Amino acid sequence: QLQLQESGPGLVKPSETLSLTCTVSGDSISSSSYYWGWIRQPPGKGLEWIGSMYYSGYTFYNPSLRSRFTIAVDMSKNQFSLKLSSVTAADTAVYYCARHGGAAAEFDHWFDPWGQGTLVTVSS
Amino acid sequence: QSVLTQPPSVSGVPGQRVTISCTGSSSNIGVGYDVQWYQQLPGTAPKLLIYGNNNRPSGVPDRFSGSKSGTSASLAITGLQAEDEADYYCQSYDNSLSGYVFGIGTKVTVL
Repeated sequence: QLQLQESGPGLVKPSETLSLTCTVSGDSISSSSYYWGWIRQPPGKGLEWIGSMYYSGYTFYNPSLRSRFTIAVDMSKNQFSLKLSSVTAADTAVYYCARHGGAAAEFDHWFDPWGQGTLVTVSS
Repeated sequence: QSVLTQPPSVSGVPGQRVTISCTGSSSNIGVGYDVQWYQQLPGTAPKLLIYGNNNRPSGVPDRFSGSKSGTSASLAITGLQAEDEADYYCQSYDNSLSGYVFGIGTKVTVL
C-alpha cells in the first residue's frame, strides 16, 4: 500500500529556509506515469498547490510561488523534498505531499494519496 | 479567494440529499479540464472522493456522486450521514494560472 510521510522542523524563524522531506513507501518514486507534489494549507484556510516533480527531475511550480520554492528528488532514498527560502509568517501552514497522476493529460491529474501533513510555524 | 467558487457551508439532516457547487470559468472547468473532489475530515489530510468529474475511487460509498456541466461542477451526497461532516474541496487545472487550483472549501454540517 502506497504511503507518504512528511518530515521537517515544526518551527522556522523568519527569513530562514524551510526544508521538508516526503518519504514514499510501498512504491517506487520512479514509477512511470505518476508525479509527486506539494500542497499547503494555512490554519483554518483552504488548499494551495505549491509545485510538482517527475522522477526525471522535471519540475513545475505554482507561478505565484515559483521563485521561492524548490522541489528535488532523491531516488536512492525514495524521497522528494521541498525548500522554501526567506520564509515569513504567511508561510505558516500544514504542508502535504501527495502523488498525482491517473489521467493521460497532466492537467487532468488528481492527488491521491496524501501524506498526513506536517505543521510548519514561522515565528521568531 | 480562489478561481473556483464554492459555498462556504451547507447543512442537512441525516438521510437528506445535499449538493455542493463548484463554479469556475473559461480558463479552467469551462475549457474541459476534469474536476476532482476531496473530503477532509477534522484534523486529517484530504482524501480523494471523486476523480475525472464523476468517478469514485475504490472504497468511496456510492452516496457520493459528481457531475460537471459548462463552467461548473457539483458534488452530491445522498442519504447524508453524521460521518459525512467534513470540509469538501473541488480541484481542477487553470490554464491562465498555469497550475492546479482548489476551491475555497465547503463545510458540510449534519444537523
